[in-house]
Amino acid sequence: QQQVKQSPQSLIVQKGGISIINCAYENTAFDYFPWYQQFPGKGPALLIAIRPDVSEKKEGRFTISFNKSAKQFSLHIMDSQPGDSATYFCAASSAAGKSTFGDGTTLTVKP
Amino acid sequence: DTAVSQTPKYLVTQMGNDKSIKCEQNLGHDTMYWYKQDSKKFLKIMFSYNNKELIINETVPNRFSPKSPDKAHLNLHINSLELGDSAVYFCASSSGQGEKLFFGSGTQLSVL
Repeated sequence: QQQVKQSPQSLIVQKGGISIINCAYENTAFDYFPWYQQFPGKGPALLIAIRPDVSEKKEGRFTISFNKSAKQFSLHIMDSQPGDSATYFCAASSAAGKSTFGDGTTLTVKP
Repeated sequence: DTAVSQTPKYLVTQMGNDKSIKCEQNLGHDTMYWYKQDSKKFLKIMFSYNNKELIINETVPNRFSPKSPDKAHLNLHINSLELGDSAVYFCASSSGQGEKLFFGSGTQLSVL
């Protein structure tokens, strides 16, 4: 049973465009929803995270939108840059348990 | 200073061999993890330790044995390596369960 479903698997965006990656979860006990960015040959690194008591969180060009009733959350990258090309993972966790990751989205931003 | 460091970066070995991967974190975190990333980049948790105590043990073959000598170190020993063990193994730490994870740079294991 996959607890966190992520889409799309891959995404190609032109420089300056908006990249949108979506995730859906099943376990209502999850209370922490981070996004990780991974470059080739590196470990994933936290990009931005949200807790379910807010519907949106913005940090620079990166925004998480959270819909608790639909059990969905998404990452928006505004003004996408070639340097944003990486693999992005959503995740969900609760204080009582482990972090469960989505399957990842490979983002390519074309110059 | 690297927050979570793991060695070696690359590990190439023959089937049937035994190998170890070491991990150390200098963040003062109580919880450490091992994750496996396969060729499709799927990330799956293998083990989690909290203050040297095993708290998560996913369905992992018992050829894999984690060892935590203290809360700053979590090593992974693998016996009788198989072709299917080829993957990138990441060590991570967090201040508590379900919190922000800090990952090491990974160990690329290739079993020939």
